[in-house]
Amino acid sequence: DAKTTQPPSMDCAEGRAANLPCNHSTISGNEYVYWYRQIHSQGPQYIIHGLKNNETNEMASLIITEDRKSSTLILPHATLRDTAVYYCIGLSGAGSYQLTFGKGTKLSVIP
Amino acid sequence: DVKVTQSSRYLVKRTGEKVFLECVQDMDHENMFWYRQDPGLGLRLIYFSYDVKMKEKGDIPEGYSVSREKKERFSLILESASTNQTSMYLCASTLGGGRLYSPLHFGNGTRLTVT
Repeated sequence: DAKTTQPPSMDCAEGRAANLPCNHSTISGNEYVYWYRQIHSQGPQYIIHGLKNNETNEMASLIITEDRKSSTLILPHATLRDTAVYYCIGLSGAGSYQLTFGKGTKLSVIP
Repeated sequence: DVKVTQSSRYLVKRTGEKVFLECVQDMDHENMFWYRQDPGLGLRLIYFSYDVKMKEKGDIPEGYSVSREKKERFSLILESASTNQTSMYLCASTLGGGRLYSPLHFGNGTRLTVT
């Protein structure tokens, strides 16, 4: 699986967009970029995934650069309940269950 | 929405006890998983199952067994609990059936303490 690099922490004002970056320069052609988050004392929650096109769902948008070396997760209107650790990981189909979360980004949404 | 329910949020057991952790999913998912999560070690896969009565070892199966008698239920068994099995245990499920990129849906975890 691709090694990913994320900033350790970020703050975001409530109601504003939260943009969480991730570098994955070693990602291979068949690896998808997945984003999960984990709110304190809860299980990880799937957010979104993509291969090379931008993706949007009811939770977030995922912007992947054309060279696929980095991506940005966008929470369009952050709320206090979005405070969590966000993990970006690269997974190929065969290993998509072998989740290895790095340290992730601790997002704090400030009132 | 997929719901993965773990029977207990917190458990305290004594060394040597047999411990059962239960997990139920309501979306007819074929694949189910058990992980443990420890500070500094991240998520580690214990066992998984692709179908009823089928099971596969993950990375750290020693000291654990599993049971999947029904599609929606996957049980993790600690045959003789030890203090090094104190951890957060997470159950997850996913569609399966060749849909390799379908995401994992997790339960809220069971925090097990073995004294």
